[in-house]
Amino acid sequence: DIQMTQSPSSLSASVGDRVTITCRASQSISSSLNWYQQKPGKAPKLLIYGAYSLQSGVPSRFSGSGSGTDFTLTISGLQPEDFATFYCQQSYITPFTFGPGTKVDIK
Amino acid sequence: QVQLQESGPGLVKPSETLSLTCTVSGGSVSSDTYYWSWIRQPPGRGLEWIGNIYYSGSTNYNPSLKSRVTISVDTSKNQFSLKLRSVTAADTAVYYCARFVVVTTKVRDYYYGLDVWGQGTTVTVSS
Repeated sequence: DIQMTQSPSSLSASVGDRVTITCRASQSISSSLNWYQQKPGKAPKLLIYGAYSLQSGVPSRFSGSGSGTDFTLTISGLQPEDFATFYCQQSYITPFTFGPGTKVDIK
Repeated sequence: QVQLQESGPGLVKPSETLSLTCTVSGGSVSSDTYYWSWIRQPPGRGLEWIGNIYYSGSTNYNPSLKSRVTISVDTSKNQFSLKLRSVTAADTAVYYCARFVVVTTKVRDYYYGLDVWGQGTTVTVSS
């Protein structure tokens, strides 16, 4: 199985901050990397697919980059509604594994 | 707008079979653009992909669960289902159904994210 790691596991930030979350795959996954946001008690929501493509309806302050094994999710100008847990997922090869998550909370 | 809704028992006894159904509304499970997936999340933990199914019946399973899992599709009812056999307390989780965008080619399938999710259903394994 491809192992996914994320860093940091948690971070505290203020509204308006630029936030960067890193995801690393244990082997190359090309650009088959997706990012999700999950709020407590809710289903995850797709933010980014294919490493950098913004899902329809997602604000443009979210962006993704990377290929191969190293990927980044950036939130440019954190908003109050962005505080949540973020997961990366590889969809290159089954089983489609998720990272352990990064919790973003209010400083 | 496509919506997914999980249904099934919230309590299952150890060693028995967990059975869940996902009903798709506003869209068709017979679309060739999607695989239909099950994902679970134990309390306070991360997400685990269980498996998925194409309208043709083609399936992919997580090897960690493959010996106990069956995913099926009923195109006449616009539903797909999950069966997990011989459950233990470790199978206690919120179970989600979701739609996986896919582009199929002769060489391989390209997956582009789980774009629609059900609200999730909590399943507890306990006697």
